[in-house]
Amino acid sequence: KAGVTQTPRYLIKTRGQQVTLSCSPISGHRSVSWYQQTPGQGLQFLFEYFSETQRNKGNFPGRFSGRQFSNSRSEMNVSTLELGDSALYLCASSLTGTHEQYFGPGTRLTVT
Amino acid sequence: GESVGLHLPTLSVQEGDNSIINCAYSNSASDYFIWYKQESGKGPQFIIDIRSNMDKRQGQRVTVLLNKTVKHLSLQIAATQPGDSAVYFCAETPNTPLVFGKGTRLSVIA
Repeated sequence: KAGVTQTPRYLIKTRGQQVTLSCSPISGHRSVSWYQQTPGQGLQFLFEYFSETQRNKGNFPGRFSGRQFSNSRSEMNVSTLELGDSALYLCASSLTGTHEQYFGPGTRLTVT
Repeated sequence: GESVGLHLPTLSVQEGDNSIINCAYSNSASDYFIWYKQESGKGPQFIIDIRSNMDKRQGQRVTVLLNKTVKHLSLQIAATQPGDSAVYFCAETPNTPLVFGKGTRLSVIA
């Protein structure tokens, strides 16, 4: 069974631009969560989607948004990028009702 | 590879020795705990989990111990191998989402 895939793996953007990251969960997984990982803050929860609905949201500004499609694939968008948004963005999928999350390799975003 | 954390606590162990990685969790209402391993350039990989109605759970070469009285979790790795070198995170949840600890870097000396 294929694991969680994320595209692109690396991205360089300029301050003020916007970016969209994509995540394809493990087949059969309906829950997708997004995390931001930085050296200073560690792994921080962004949001979780289940059946195309946002089920939980972390403490991030409204510039961070996401969505989930009917095939469970998910995207997250960051608008008006700031230097502090440079991070590894991780997507994780899980079966309905379980906490065991499987992570993708992440997208390394660098904002210059 | 990816820079997971520049100022993580580091545990250095000799190959073949046992490793013990500790984690203090914050929420007394948490009832589910997971240990993840993250290698350079990869996302976190599930190792083992434990529910709050258990004190100990064993996997292949790994054991997780849970002490709810002092809100402490530990991961024991038997016969540590070079491939065990990574950053290890504990995560807790009383409900979704997971809350992750800062991580510990395990360095295996061959």
